[in-house]
Amino acid sequence: GAVVSQHPSRVICKSGTSVKIECRSLDFQATTMFWYRQFPKQSLMLMATSNEGSKATYEQGVEKDKFLINHASLTLSTLTVTSAHPEDSSFYICSAGRTEKLFFGSGTQLSVL
Amino acid sequence: AQSVTQPDIHITVSEGASLELRCNYSYGATPYLFWYVQSPGQGLQLLLKYFSGDTLVQGIKGFEAEFKRSQSSFNLRKPSVHWSDAAEYFCAVGAPTGTASKLTFGTGTRLQVTL
Repeated sequence: GAVVSQHPSRVICKSGTSVKIECRSLDFQATTMFWYRQFPKQSLMLMATSNEGSKATYEQGVEKDKFLINHASLTLSTLTVTSAHPEDSSFYICSAGRTEKLFFGSGTQLSVL
Repeated sequence: AQSVTQPDIHITVSEGASLELRCNYSYGATPYLFWYVQSPGQGLQLLLKYFSGDTLVQGIKGFEAEFKRSQSSFNLRKPSVHWSDAAEYFCAVGAPTGTASKLTFGTGTRLQVTL
C-alpha cells in the first residue's frame, strides 16, 4: 500500500487565495521530504527540500515566500501556495524516504481560477 | 551537476511488440538510476532501480533495464507490450548518498499502445 499520503488530490481555488497541501509518511519517519512541480506534459522539477525542524531548502528560481514549506514533524510536511495565481496551476508531488526506498505521493492537481 | 536525457518524447508501439525507452544520464560517478511510470493525473510508480551489482535489472510489470556505464545509458525494455502500459515514463538519477536524495528527472517519454 501507499506509504506516502498526499492530500488533497485535487483543489480548485480562486486567484488570491492560499492553498495548503499535505504530505504524510504513513509508516516511517521522514526527516527529509521533497516537493516537485509538474506542468502539463512536462517533467517533474524539484522545488524544495523539506527538512524536519528546520527551514526548507529551495531550488533556484523558486520563491520561498510564495511556496511556504513546513516540516513540523517526522511524518508531515506541508506546502502552502500563498496568494495563488493562475500561473501556479500545476501538479504538485511530494516524496519521502531513503534513496533506495523513495516513495512518492499521489500528487495534487491545483487549478487556480 | 546531474542530468538525464530521454531523447524520445513520444513512442507508439503495437500491443505485443517489444519496447525500448532510451535514457542517458550525466553524473560524476556511478549514480542511482530509476525508472518511474505515471498515468494521467496520478503520482509516480517505481518500475525498477539500479544501485550496483548486476547491470541488468528486473522490475515490475515485466520491465527490465540495463545499465551501461560506457554509454551512460539506462534503457528500459519490455519484450511484449500490453495496452495497459500506455503511460508516461520517466528516467531519473539520484546521488548515492544513502539518505534521502533529490532526484533529477528526464523530460519523459509518452508511450502509446495501439491495438
